[in-house]
Amino acid sequence: GAVVSQHPSWVICKSGTSVKIECRSLDFQATTMFWYRQFPKQSLMLMATSNEGSKATYEQGVEKDKFLINHASLTLSTLTVTSAHPEDSSFYICSSRLNTEAFFGQGTRLTVV
Amino acid sequence: GENVEQHPSTLSVQEGDSAVIKCTYSDSASNYFPWYKQELGKRPQLIIDIRSNVGEKKDQRIAVTLNKTAKHFSLHITETQPEDSAVYFCAANSPRGGYSTLTFGKGTMLLVSP
Repeated sequence: GAVVSQHPSWVICKSGTSVKIECRSLDFQATTMFWYRQFPKQSLMLMATSNEGSKATYEQGVEKDKFLINHASLTLSTLTVTSAHPEDSSFYICSSRLNTEAFFGQGTRLTVV
Repeated sequence: GENVEQHPSTLSVQEGDSAVIKCTYSDSASNYFPWYKQELGKRPQLIIDIRSNVGEKKDQRIAVTLNKTAKHFSLHITETQPEDSAVYFCAANSPRGGYSTLTFGKGTMLLVSP
């Protein structure tokens, strides 16, 4: 199947700093990338959908200015958590679709201290 | 938008028993229903999926059934093994403008005891 590579796997940052998470599609072109957030023992909640070359579509309640998404190429989408706070600590995971099947990145465990 | 309900939230079985997880969805336009297995700290892995034009699909010990009229679908695992222990998510794919999105259920933690 298709491969989506996500980095970093984990990151610890200080409150107030920004963190960038990258997702790359290694063997296919990801026109659309979905970004999810997952709290412990909870489901995957869609945060936003990024489309190559256009602005991302954010789900209700997700702050656009806090979670910056860039999808500049068909193989790379990035999520930047700006001015991170402890409540932003979570597991972030990206996903892209090939035909109908979804392929997920490895996920990024973000801890804000 | 789509709403997916999943039950039970936790399920404990003995090795060799069967496990059944049930999901309902709300959007009649949803047309694809995958099931994912997620181990702690890892990415979800697709274990089986079913499309809206099919009522049942089986892959070795895993089967999925879909009732479009009632808008529910179920995952059946037979002869469970300890390595089946994980969190399982159902999802429903619904068209949304120029693309489709997956809406996930809340997950079922399956524990298979030896």
